[in-house]
Amino acid sequence: SYVLTQPPSVSVAPGMTARITCGGNSIGTKSVHWYQQKPGQAPVLVIYYDTDRPSGIPERFSGSNSGNTATLTISRVEAGDEADYYCQVWDSRSDHYVFGTGTKVTVL
Amino acid sequence: QVQLQESGPGLVKPSQTLSLTCTVSGGSIAGDGYYCSWIRQHPGKGLEWIGYIYYSGTTYYNPSLKSRVTISVDTSKNQFSLKLSSVTVADTAVYYCANRGNSGSDAPFDIWGQGTVVTVSS
Repeated sequence: SYVLTQPPSVSVAPGMTARITCGGNSIGTKSVHWYQQKPGQAPVLVIYYDTDRPSGIPERFSGSNSGNTATLTISRVEAGDEADYYCQVWDSRSDHYVFGTGTKVTVL
Repeated sequence: QVQLQESGPGLVKPSQTLSLTCTVSGGSIAGDGYYCSWIRQHPGKGLEWIGYIYYSGTTYYNPSLKSRVTISVDTSKNQFSLKLSSVTVADTAVYYCANRGNSGSDAPFDIWGQGTVVTVSS
């Protein structure tokens, strides 16, 4: 089955840039979505179709996808960005949905 | 604004069947062509897709759970349901219902319920 690998944790100082990677075989050929999950809450879509932002999501959140790695970038990080982040794709070979292993972002 | 709300028993005994319902408000499962999914999250772990159903009744299940999962829809009540049979403690998790967009199989899960905790214990 298709596997998406994320770093377990990323630490970043306020005002700096956080980059969260999502590795998968030829992930650049798939559409990648990113979700933010704060403790005790449901996930929230923050980036869809690699680079698009839903309404209400700050421009500080951006995405890219190429080769074997997709990346979620959070610019000018704020304390409120501290959360778990998950990437997700649809695997056409198995016809099911796959989530990444998740990355905990800590704001120092 | 479309909202999803999970409901069902919070405690299920081992070997029994877990049954949950997701009620959709602010939208129509049939009228808006919803793809209604169930997703779970084990304690302190990541997200696992269980399966989805289209309002017409077409279903897709995670192969790892397929033998134990049934997802159904009741368009008259604007609800869809999850049944997971022969549960074990490994099925203890937060269960979410979510709507996948209808722009294609690779659409994102754009609306989520708040989640419901299910504990499997005797």
